[in-house]
Amino acid sequence: GAGVSQSPSNKVTEKGKDVELRCDPISGHTALYWYRQSLGQGLEFLIYFQGNSAPDKSGLPSDRFSAERTGGSVSTLTIQRTQQEDSAVYLCASSGGLAGAGTGELFFGEGSRLTVL
Amino acid sequence: AQSVTQLDSQVPVFEEAPVELRCNYSSSVSVYLFWYVQYPNQGLQLLLKYLSGSTLVKGINGFEAEFNKSQTSFHLRKPSVHISDTAEYFCAAMDTGRRALTFGSGTRLQVQP
Repeated sequence: GAGVSQSPSNKVTEKGKDVELRCDPISGHTALYWYRQSLGQGLEFLIYFQGNSAPDKSGLPSDRFSAERTGGSVSTLTIQRTQQEDSAVYLCASSGGLAGAGTGELFFGEGSRLTVL
Repeated sequence: AQSVTQLDSQVPVFEEAPVELRCNYSSSVSVYLFWYVQYPNQGLQLLLKYLSGSTLVKGINGFEAEFNKSQTSFHLRKPSVHISDTAEYFCAAMDTGRRALTFGSGTRLQVQP
C-alpha cells in the first residue's frame, strides 16, 4: 500500500494476556518507530529501528514490551502479561531518514487501539 | 535526551483571529524541529519542519514557525485561523545524532465561530 498499515485497528484483551501489534511501513523506508498515545497525553516514544543497526529501545516502559523488525520491513510490537495501564493507541511510523533524499518526515499509521480489561 | 515542552494544553480562539502555539525544547548542539497536526479521528501528519537555513519556516494551511536558538523555542503561528484548523498540534524534536523523534504533550486548538 501507499501508507503505513497497522493491524489490528482495535484490540480488546484481558489483563494478563499477551498481544501482538503489527506494522507494515512504507516500502523502502529504512526507519521505523513505535509510539504510544494515551488518552489526553502526548506521544510516548517506545522504540526506533534504523536499517540494520541495533534498535533504540530506550523508550520501552518495561521488559514486558518488545519489538522486532524482520527483513528490514514489517515490525511487530509484543506486550506480554498486559496490564490495564497498557491501554492506549499504539502508533507506528516510518521514515526515509535524513540522508540523501530523505526529509526526516515521519509517516504515521492510524494506530492500533488496545484496551485491557 | 531531548525533551519538548508545550505549555498550553488547550488554546481556544475565535475564527479569523491570530494564534500562537508555544513549544520549547531542551538545549542541544544540533536539533531538527517539527510540528505535526492530528485532526479529529485521523492520523498525524507533518505541518512543517526546520532542518537548517532560514529560521522562519512555512508549512501547509498557512502555518509558520520560527526557530529561536537562544530561547530554544519553535513557536507555531497562524495570522487568521479557520474552523477547520481545530485539531491537536504536536511539537517534536530530533537530536541530529540520535534520530529518535521526541514529541511534546500536544496542544488542542479549538477554533470557535
